[in-house]
Amino acid sequence: AQSVTQLDSHVSVSEGTPVLLRCNYSSSYSPSLFWYVQHPNKGLQLLLKYTSAATLVKGINGFEAEFKKSETSFHLTKPSAHMSDAAEYFCVVSDGDDKIIFGKGTRLHILP
Amino acid sequence: DARVTQTPRHKVTEMGQEVTMRCQPILGHNTVFWYRQTMMQGLELLAYFRNRAPLDDSGMPKDRFSAEMPDATLATLKIQPSEPRDSAVYFCASGLVLYGGTDTQYFGPGTRLTVL
Repeated sequence: AQSVTQLDSHVSVSEGTPVLLRCNYSSSYSPSLFWYVQHPNKGLQLLLKYTSAATLVKGINGFEAEFKKSETSFHLTKPSAHMSDAAEYFCVVSDGDDKIIFGKGTRLHILP
Repeated sequence: DARVTQTPRHKVTEMGQEVTMRCQPILGHNTVFWYRQTMMQGLELLAYFRNRAPLDDSGMPKDRFSAEMPDATLATLKIQPSEPRDSAVYFCASGLVLYGGTDTQYFGPGTRLTVL
């Protein structure tokens, strides 16, 4: 059975400092992995996805994530946080059987 | 700029009333998802369709919820009768899956439902 764990429910960083949002997964198959962002009162938007190509995936707004099979992780990073990055971030895992699992979400706070 | 549209955006109703939420997926997408989001439970997958056929509705309370796709341009989620615990934001998402598995989902803006 597959699952996804977002290790932090809240993360606070200062503007201009690096962002790290952690995600661990388990899957019986080669998974597809996604990060979505949800700004307040909005729907979810895809940030990036991993589908068995390059292990370092670049997404929109300067975000990237690295797929590490040995650690079963897919952490999201950004070198320098911006105020507009304040939002909730969801890690998603899916296997070939159409099972889609969302993490509980991590709320990112940006301090001025 | 193709988008998923949802109507209504807000709905306030009284307990026991029927509620119907509508979703127009992006033209050409063959997969439609319904989610519910609350503070307590987070984001929950209720049901999804592929080529208008229901693939999985195990996340949906069967006694009061029903989901259908009358045609490729319309998905509906109905609650009858509604209860206060159904208060949530309901999201529709669509995607294109050609060879199995899952690809990007495009989310609508959501319907905020309040049941009094």
